[in-house]
Amino acid sequence: GNSVTQMEGPVTLSEEAFLTINCTYTATGYPSLFWYVQYPGEGLQLLLKATKADDKGSNKGFEATYRKETTSFHLEKGSVQVSDSAVYFCALSDVGSSGSARQLTFGSGTQLTVLP
Amino acid sequence: ETGVTQSPTHLIKTRGQQVTLRCSSQSGHNTVSWYQQALGQGPQFIFQYYREEENGRGNFPPRFSGLQFPNYSSELNVNALELDDSALYLCASSPDRGTNSPLHFGNGTRLTVT
Repeated sequence: GNSVTQMEGPVTLSEEAFLTINCTYTATGYPSLFWYVQYPGEGLQLLLKATKADDKGSNKGFEATYRKETTSFHLEKGSVQVSDSAVYFCALSDVGSSGSARQLTFGSGTQLTVLP
Repeated sequence: ETGVTQSPTHLIKTRGQQVTLRCSSQSGHNTVSWYQQALGQGPQFIFQYYREEENGRGNFPPRFSGLQFPNYSSELNVNALELDDSALYLCASSPDRGTNSPLHFGNGTRLTVT
Protein backbone atom coordinates (compact mmCIF):
# COMPACT_ATOMS: atom_id res chain seq x y z
CA GLY A 1 0.00 0.00 0.00
CA ASN A 2 0.87 3.66 -0.05
CA SER A 3 3.02 5.16 2.68
CA VAL A 4 4.84 8.38 3.53
CA THR A 5 7.94 8.62 5.68
CA GLN A 6 8.92 11.95 7.16
CA MET A 7 12.02 13.14 8.90
CA GLU A 8 11.48 12.77 12.61
CA GLY A 9 11.29 15.88 14.73
CA PRO A 10 11.15 18.01 16.55
CA VAL A 11 13.25 20.49 14.62
CA THR A 12 14.41 23.69 16.32
CA LEU A 13 15.99 26.48 14.28
CA SER A 14 16.97 30.08 14.79
CA GLU A 15 15.20 32.75 12.78
CA GLU A 16 16.60 33.16 9.24
CA ALA A 17 18.10 29.63 9.24
CA PHE A 18 17.68 27.27 6.29
CA LEU A 19 15.03 24.59 6.64
CA THR A 20 14.86 21.12 5.12
CA ILE A 21 12.28 18.52 6.11
CA ASN A 22 12.78 15.22 4.34
CA CYS A 23 9.90 13.23 2.93
CA THR A 24 9.93 9.99 0.95
CA TYR A 25 7.00 8.01 -0.27
CA THR A 26 5.92 4.59 -1.53
CA ALA A 27 3.05 4.38 -3.98
CA THR A 28 1.89 1.95 -6.61
CA GLY A 29 0.42 4.55 -8.95
CA TYR A 30 1.28 8.10 -9.88
CA PRO A 31 0.32 10.11 -6.84
CA SER A 32 0.07 13.83 -6.32
CA LEU A 33 2.21 15.09 -3.45
CA PHE A 34 1.40 17.72 -0.85
CA TRP A 35 2.74 19.54 2.15
CA TYR A 36 0.23 20.56 4.78
CA VAL A 37 0.85 22.75 7.82
CA GLN A 38 -0.98 22.60 11.13
CA TYR A 39 -0.82 25.51 13.57
CA PRO A 40 -1.71 24.89 17.23
CA GLY A 41 -5.42 24.33 17.74
CA GLU A 42 -6.19 24.44 14.04
CA GLY A 43 -6.88 22.06 11.20
CA LEU A 44 -4.53 21.41 8.31
CA GLN A 45 -3.81 24.02 5.65
CA LEU A 46 -2.44 23.19 2.24
CA LEU A 47 1.03 24.69 1.92
CA LEU A 48 2.00 23.49 -1.56
CA LYS A 49 1.51 20.65 -4.00
CA ALA A 50 3.00 18.96 -7.05
CA THR A 51 1.04 16.72 -9.37
CA LYS A 52 3.70 15.09 -11.54
CA ALA A 53 7.39 14.24 -11.63
CA ASP A 54 9.79 17.20 -11.66
CA ASP A 55 7.03 19.65 -10.72
CA LYS A 56 8.05 22.18 -8.10
CA GLY A 57 5.43 23.41 -5.65
CA SER A 58 6.02 26.71 -3.91
CA ASN A 59 4.21 29.02 -1.50
CA LYS A 60 5.20 31.59 1.14
CA GLY A 61 8.91 30.97 0.50
CA PHE A 62 8.57 27.19 0.89
CA GLU A 63 9.47 24.88 -1.99
CA ALA A 64 9.39 21.16 -2.72
CA THR A 65 10.21 19.24 -5.91
CA TYR A 66 8.55 15.97 -6.92
CA ARG A 67 11.46 13.55 -7.49
CA LYS A 68 10.19 10.30 -8.96
CA GLU A 69 13.65 8.71 -9.22
CA THR A 70 14.25 9.09 -5.47
CA THR A 71 10.54 9.00 -4.50
CA SER A 72 11.05 12.15 -2.48
CA PHE A 73 9.35 15.49 -1.89
CA HIS A 74 11.60 17.37 0.55
CA LEU A 75 10.37 20.69 1.94
CA GLU A 76 12.80 23.63 1.96
CA LYS A 77 12.79 27.27 2.95
CA GLY A 78 15.75 29.58 2.71
CA SER A 79 15.04 31.74 5.75
CA VAL A 80 12.53 30.67 8.39
CA GLN A 81 10.57 33.03 10.60
CA VAL A 82 9.13 32.60 14.09
CA SER A 83 5.66 32.53 12.49
CA ASP A 84 6.64 29.34 10.60
CA SER A 85 6.55 27.38 13.87
CA ALA A 86 4.00 24.62 13.30
CA VAL A 87 3.68 20.92 12.46
CA TYR A 88 4.36 20.04 8.83
CA PHE A 89 2.86 16.99 7.15
CA CYS A 90 3.90 15.42 3.89
CA ALA A 91 1.09 13.60 2.09
CA LEU A 92 0.28 11.81 -1.13
CA SER A 93 -3.04 11.51 -2.90
CA ASP A 94 -3.96 8.41 -4.79
CA VAL A 95 -6.77 5.93 -5.16
CA GLY A 96 -6.97 3.91 -1.97
CA SER A 97 -7.61 0.22 -1.55
CA SER A 98 -11.32 0.94 -1.85
CA GLY A 99 -10.66 1.69 -5.49
CA SER A 100 -12.65 4.86 -5.88
CA ALA A 101 -11.96 7.55 -3.32
CA ARG A 102 -8.94 9.73 -3.79
CA GLN A 103 -7.53 9.71 -0.28
CA LEU A 104 -4.61 11.40 1.37
CA THR A 105 -1.94 9.30 3.05
CA PHE A 106 0.00 11.39 5.56
CA GLY A 107 3.39 11.15 7.16
CA SER A 108 3.64 11.37 10.93
CA GLY A 109 4.43 15.08 10.94
CA THR A 110 7.46 17.18 11.86
CA GLN A 111 7.21 19.77 14.61
CA LEU A 112 9.16 22.91 13.70
CA THR A 113 10.03 25.52 16.30
CA VAL A 114 11.74 28.73 15.19
CA LEU A 115 13.42 30.78 17.90
CA PRO A 116 13.87 34.56 17.64
CA GLU B 1 -16.77 32.39 1.58
CA THR B 2 -17.48 30.23 4.64
CA GLY B 3 -14.89 27.59 5.37
CA VAL B 4 -15.34 24.12 6.81
CA THR B 5 -16.84 24.19 10.28
CA GLN B 6 -16.99 21.32 12.74
CA SER B 7 -18.93 20.84 15.94
CA PRO B 8 -18.46 20.34 18.76
CA THR B 9 -14.85 21.43 19.23
CA HIS B 10 -14.32 19.17 22.22
CA LEU B 11 -16.18 16.15 23.53
CA ILE B 12 -15.71 13.70 26.37
CA LYS B 13 -17.42 10.31 26.24
CA THR B 14 -17.31 7.07 28.17
CA ARG B 15 -16.20 3.76 26.70
CA GLY B 16 -19.15 1.95 25.09
CA GLN B 17 -21.10 5.13 24.33
CA GLN B 18 -21.97 6.46 20.89
CA VAL B 19 -20.96 9.84 19.45
CA THR B 20 -21.97 12.00 16.48
CA LEU B 21 -19.66 14.62 15.05
CA ARG B 22 -20.83 17.23 12.56
CA CYS B 23 -19.28 19.05 9.65
CA SER B 24 -20.46 21.84 7.38
CA SER B 25 -18.71 21.84 4.03
CA GLN B 26 -17.29 24.87 2.32
CA SER B 27 -19.83 26.44 -0.03
CA GLY B 28 -19.90 24.72 -3.42
CA HIS B 29 -18.09 21.57 -2.25
CA ASN B 30 -19.84 18.24 -2.87
CA THR B 31 -17.24 15.88 -1.43
CA VAL B 32 -16.50 15.35 2.26
CA SER B 33 -13.77 13.22 3.79
CA TRP B 34 -13.21 12.33 7.42
CA TYR B 35 -9.83 11.71 9.02
CA GLN B 36 -8.74 10.52 12.45
CA GLN B 37 -5.59 12.10 13.90
CA ALA B 38 -4.21 10.38 16.99
CA LEU B 39 -1.92 12.43 19.20
CA GLY B 40 1.49 12.93 17.61
CA GLN B 41 0.55 11.19 14.37
CA GLY B 42 -0.61 12.12 10.91
CA PRO B 43 -4.29 11.95 9.99
CA GLN B 44 -5.69 8.63 8.77
CA PHE B 45 -8.46 8.37 6.19
CA ILE B 46 -11.76 7.08 7.55
CA PHE B 47 -14.12 7.51 4.57
CA GLN B 48 -15.32 9.87 1.90
CA TYR B 49 -18.80 10.90 0.81
CA TYR B 50 -19.67 12.22 -2.62
CA ARG B 51 -23.17 13.49 -3.32
CA GLU B 52 -24.61 11.64 -0.32
CA GLU B 53 -23.05 8.26 -1.13
CA GLU B 54 -20.04 6.66 0.54
CA ASN B 55 -17.32 6.82 -2.08
CA GLY B 56 -14.51 4.98 -0.35
CA ARG B 57 -13.36 3.80 3.04
CA GLY B 58 -10.10 3.39 4.90
CA ASN B 59 -9.16 0.67 7.33
CA PHE B 60 -11.76 1.44 9.99
CA PRO B 61 -14.35 -0.96 11.45
CA PRO B 62 -18.09 -0.72 10.64
CA ARG B 63 -18.82 0.99 13.95
CA PHE B 64 -17.49 4.09 12.20
CA SER B 65 -20.28 5.27 9.93
CA GLY B 66 -21.29 8.47 8.24
CA LEU B 67 -23.90 10.44 6.41
CA GLN B 68 -23.89 13.26 3.92
CA PHE B 69 -26.95 15.43 3.55
CA PRO B 70 -28.42 17.16 0.45
CA ASN B 71 -26.73 20.42 1.50
CA TYR B 72 -23.44 18.42 1.58
CA SER B 73 -23.00 18.74 5.33
CA SER B 74 -21.91 15.53 6.97
CA GLU B 75 -21.92 13.48 10.15
CA LEU B 76 -19.49 10.95 11.54
CA ASN B 77 -20.97 8.42 13.94
CA VAL B 78 -18.93 6.13 16.14
CA ASN B 79 -20.63 3.35 18.10
CA ALA B 80 -19.32 1.34 21.03
CA LEU B 81 -16.53 3.82 21.74
CA GLU B 82 -13.14 2.44 22.71
CA LEU B 83 -10.30 4.20 24.51
CA ASP B 84 -8.23 4.14 21.29
CA ASP B 85 -10.90 6.24 19.57
CA SER B 86 -9.58 9.24 21.49
CA ALA B 87 -8.26 11.53 18.77
CA LEU B 88 -8.79 14.69 16.75
CA TYR B 89 -11.38 14.06 14.04
CA LEU B 90 -10.94 16.19 10.98
CA CYS B 91 -13.46 16.87 8.28
CA ALA B 92 -12.31 18.06 4.86
CA SER B 93 -14.37 19.17 1.90
CA SER B 94 -13.40 19.53 -1.74
CA PRO B 95 -15.09 20.72 -4.93
CA ASP B 96 -15.01 17.22 -6.43
CA ARG B 97 -13.45 13.77 -6.06
CA GLY B 98 -10.41 14.32 -8.25
CA THR B 99 -6.85 13.77 -7.10
CA ASN B 100 -5.86 17.38 -7.48
CA SER B 101 -8.89 18.88 -5.81
CA PRO B 102 -7.59 20.75 -2.80
CA LEU B 103 -8.91 19.56 0.53
CA HIS B 104 -10.13 22.27 2.89
CA PHE B 105 -9.92 21.10 6.48
CA GLY B 106 -11.94 22.17 9.47
CA ASN B 107 -10.32 22.73 12.85
CA GLY B 108 -11.46 19.34 14.07
CA THR B 109 -13.32 17.84 16.99
CA ARG B 110 -11.18 16.63 19.88
CA LEU B 111 -12.78 13.43 21.23
CA THR B 112 -11.67 11.99 24.55
CA VAL B 113 -12.92 8.55 25.56
CA THR B 114 -12.55 7.66 29.24
